[in-house]
Amino acid sequence: AQKITQTQPGMFVQEKEAVTLDCTYDTSDPSYGLFWYKQPSSGEMIFLIYQGSYDQQNATEGRYSLNFQKARKSANLVISASQLGDSAMYFCAMSQGAQKLVFGQGTRLTINP
Amino acid sequence: DAGVIQSPRHEVTEMGQEVTLRCKPISGHDYLFWYRQTMMRGLELLIYFNNNVPIDDSGMPEDRFSAKMPNASFSTLKIQPSEPRDSAVYFCASSLDLRGLITEAFFGQGTRLTVV
Repeated sequence: AQKITQTQPGMFVQEKEAVTLDCTYDTSDPSYGLFWYKQPSSGEMIFLIYQGSYDQQNATEGRYSLNFQKARKSANLVISASQLGDSAMYFCAMSQGAQKLVFGQGTRLTINP
Repeated sequence: DAGVIQSPRHEVTEMGQEVTLRCKPISGHDYLFWYRQTMMRGLELLIYFNNNVPIDDSGMPEDRFSAKMPNASFSTLKIQPSEPRDSAVYFCASSLDLRGLITEAFFGQGTRLTVV
């Protein structure tokens, strides 16, 4: 069965610093996708970045990058130059084959001015 | 495109009443998902459809929950009878099938359900 683990319930970071949010996963399927979503206090789920299991390079989207270490089964999200607006819940998720997403418990990120 | 549209945004109902949540997916998307979010259990997949056909409903908590997708642009999640433990935020999401490639799911704004 698929499993996503986010070990950091909460993180506090100073504005403009980089932050890494941890995510590990467990699957026996060689084909899968890894996603990060942001959920601000308003409640909506915002897609941030995607990494496919066969992708050779780490995914990047603006200030977001995904540090994909396949052998370790980790897919950490890196946010560079953090901003106050980055304060939110962040969810790691995995999908394999059937498109359905299994989510981790989330990490609450707080950016301090 | 307006994105995934859910209604209502908020619903307060009394225990025992029937509740119907509605979802309009993004036009052209092949998959539709219903998720439930609670503090205790996080985001749980309840059911998902592919081309209007239910594929996996193993996440539906019990028989009080049912979901339908009568056409490609509309889905409902019904709870009958509702109970206080059903209080949660219910999300609908849709995604595109790109010849088997995994793609991201786009979420609606959610329906916050409170059963008193």
